[in-house]
Amino acid sequence: EDQVTQSPEALRLQEGESSSLNCSYTVSGLRGLFWYRQDPGKGPEFLFTLYSAGEEKEKERLKATLTKKESFLHITAPKPEDSATYLCAVQRVNTGFQKLVFGTGTRLLVSP
Amino acid sequence: GAVVSQHPSWVICKSGTSVKIECRSLDFQATTMFWYRQFPKQSLMLMATSNEGSKATYEQGVEKDKFLINHASLTLSTLTVTSAHPEDSSFYICSARGQGGRDEQYFGPGTRLTVT
Repeated sequence: EDQVTQSPEALRLQEGESSSLNCSYTVSGLRGLFWYRQDPGKGPEFLFTLYSAGEEKEKERLKATLTKKESFLHITAPKPEDSATYLCAVQRVNTGFQKLVFGTGTRLLVSP
Repeated sequence: GAVVSQHPSWVICKSGTSVKIECRSLDFQATTMFWYRQFPKQSLMLMATSNEGSKATYEQGVEKDKFLINHASLTLSTLTVTSAHPEDSSFYICSARGQGGRDEQYFGPGTRLTVT
């Protein structure tokens, strides 16, 4: 069974204090790994898709990386508006309709 | 681009009644739409997957007679919660995957259902 584990469960940072979020996964054949941001009471917002080990993607203060067992979401010099829950999801090869399996997320709070 | 809307954004209904939630892809055609539910501080649990013009595929443990899904067109899917009970109260979120082989799912803003 596909499993996605995110750590830490919650993270509190000061503005400007860089850190990384971890997503460990177990899947029988990874098709893709996805990062989403979710604000309270809203639907997830797509951030990145990673397909192969060694791949990196960047967007503003966020950079996502992928290895064969885990992915990291690096946040450089975060701002209060980066506060949200960050969700990781995996998609298995040959899965019907390309469904996603989500982790439980990391709740990030950035204080000014 | 890739905007998905849901309606209503919140609904309160009485136990035993049915509620319909709409999910629309506004600027792209969605070959596949997904329905999730999310409990407070928990992750998204996939309920079912629907393709336009065909029957929905439900995840194990999800009652298909209770959660009716219709994917009538390439831009509209509906979820009807029939004979709702308080335990059906939750945050329901839809997502859509577009054509062209892209794997990303784009999510709607969610619908908060409260059954009294």
